[in-house]
Amino acid sequence: EAQVTQNPRYLITVTGKKLTVTCSQNMNHEYMSWYRQDPGLGLRQIYYSMNVEVTDKGDVPEGYKVSRKEKRNFPLILESPSPNQTSLYFCASSFAARTEAFFGQGTRLTVV
Amino acid sequence: DQQVKQNSPSLSVQEGRISILNCDYTNSMFDYFLWYKKYPAEGPTFLISISSIKDKNEDGRFTVFLNKSAKHLSLHIVPSQPGDSAVYFCAASASGTYKYIFGTGTRLKVLA
Repeated sequence: EAQVTQNPRYLITVTGKKLTVTCSQNMNHEYMSWYRQDPGLGLRQIYYSMNVEVTDKGDVPEGYKVSRKEKRNFPLILESPSPNQTSLYFCASSFAARTEAFFGQGTRLTVV
Repeated sequence: DQQVKQNSPSLSVQEGRISILNCDYTNSMFDYFLWYKKYPAEGPTFLISISSIKDKNEDGRFTVFLNKSAKHLSLHIVPSQPGDSAVYFCAASASGTYKYIFGTGTRLKVLA
C-alpha cells in the first residue's frame, strides 16, 4: 500500500531535549516536505527536499533541521525543542514538486 | 502576512446542494494551486489542482475555478454529501519555487 509513515504519532517531551520525528515513504517520490498545523494558522511549510541531499527552507524553518540521505526518508530534527514548537506535524511526499502530495497521519508534539 | 487567505472559517450546506469554498491570494507569482481535504486525526488528502494556464478544472463532483485578475479561486462541490464534511485547505506555489503556502482552512459541514 502506498503510504507516508510518520513516527511517533504522539510525543510529549521537555524543553531542550533533542528529538527526531521520522518520515518514510514507499512511493519512490522525489519531493518531500514537513508542515506544522496550528489553530488559526493552517499548515505552514517548515522544510522541503527536492531529492537526496537537496533540502531548502520553507516558511517557518527556525528551530528545525532536516536531512535527506535516502530517497525514502526525511526526518525532522528538533535540536532544542521549545514550548512554541508544540504543534501537529505532517510529513508529505510527491512524485515531483508540482504534483499532488500524499500526507502522513501526523505527529502531535507537546513540549513542556 | 497571509499570502493565501480563506476568509470563511466555516460553512454549512444542506445535503444535495452546492458547496462553494473560496480562497484569495496576494502573490501574483503564484501559478499552481491545489485543494486538500482533511478529516480529524488524519493527514490532508489531495482533491484537485489547477495551474494558471487554465481557469477551470473538474474532477467528478469537484470543480476548481481560477480568476487570475481577481487573485481568487473557488472550489465547488456538487452535489454535497455528508461525507464531504471536513476542513478544506487551498495551497499555492509560485513559479520558479518549490515552496507551498497554505490557507488557514474552511470547515465544511454538510447537513443530512
